[in-house]
Amino acid sequence: SQKIEQNSEALNIQEGKTATLTCNYTNYSPAYLQWYRQDPGRGPVFLLLIRENEKEKRKERLKVTFDTTLKQSLFHITASQPADSATYLCALPLYSSASKIIFGSGTRLSIRP
Amino acid sequence: EAGVTQSPTHLIKTRGQQATLRCSPISGHTSVYWYQQALGLGLQFLLWYDEGEERNRGNFPPRFSGRQFPNYSSELNVNALELEDSALYLCASRSRRSNYEQYFGPGTRLTVT
Repeated sequence: SQKIEQNSEALNIQEGKTATLTCNYTNYSPAYLQWYRQDPGRGPVFLLLIRENEKEKRKERLKVTFDTTLKQSLFHITASQPADSATYLCALPLYSSASKIIFGSGTRLSIRP
Repeated sequence: EAGVTQSPTHLIKTRGQQATLRCSPISGHTSVYWYQQALGLGLQFLLWYDEGEERNRGNFPPRFSGRQFPNYSSELNVNALELEDSALYLCASRSRRSNYEQYFGPGTRLTVT
């Protein structure tokens, strides 16, 4: 079955720098991949979706890339701010194209002033 | 547009009791997903309902069950509570017209003593 690997160690970044988070998957290439943000004790919030035929997607200071050869997605936050501190979750469909998605365990990002 | 709502916010039960958690999806969303998130862990898929039918369930024992009502709201029932059931239970809804993104509620914090 599909497995998702996100860096379990927290990422600490200086304010203003670009934060880069990694999501690797192990099995088939999904039709799409999503990124969510989760703050402590709250539900995840959808940020971006990228499809398998898209190399890159942008939304304001966020950028997501999708490399089906490497089986990897990178999530970038440019000009990072302390308010960007949260856990970021990668999610993709259980099967190549499905309505049921599975989540990675997330990477905690801390932006220090 | 009102978001996904969940009730109660907190629930304290003793071992062996039953818990009922409720979720109201965003208006127009027909799919409801339930997840369990134990402290410090990732989201574990529990159940998926669409158009009143259970479409899929995760690797949880049968004492985790639920239903979806004609108005698409949903209920999660956990019978014979065990200490390890203590977790944040998250509900998410999705529109069939969406790009598979899920919209999460604030969660119900269940504590089993």
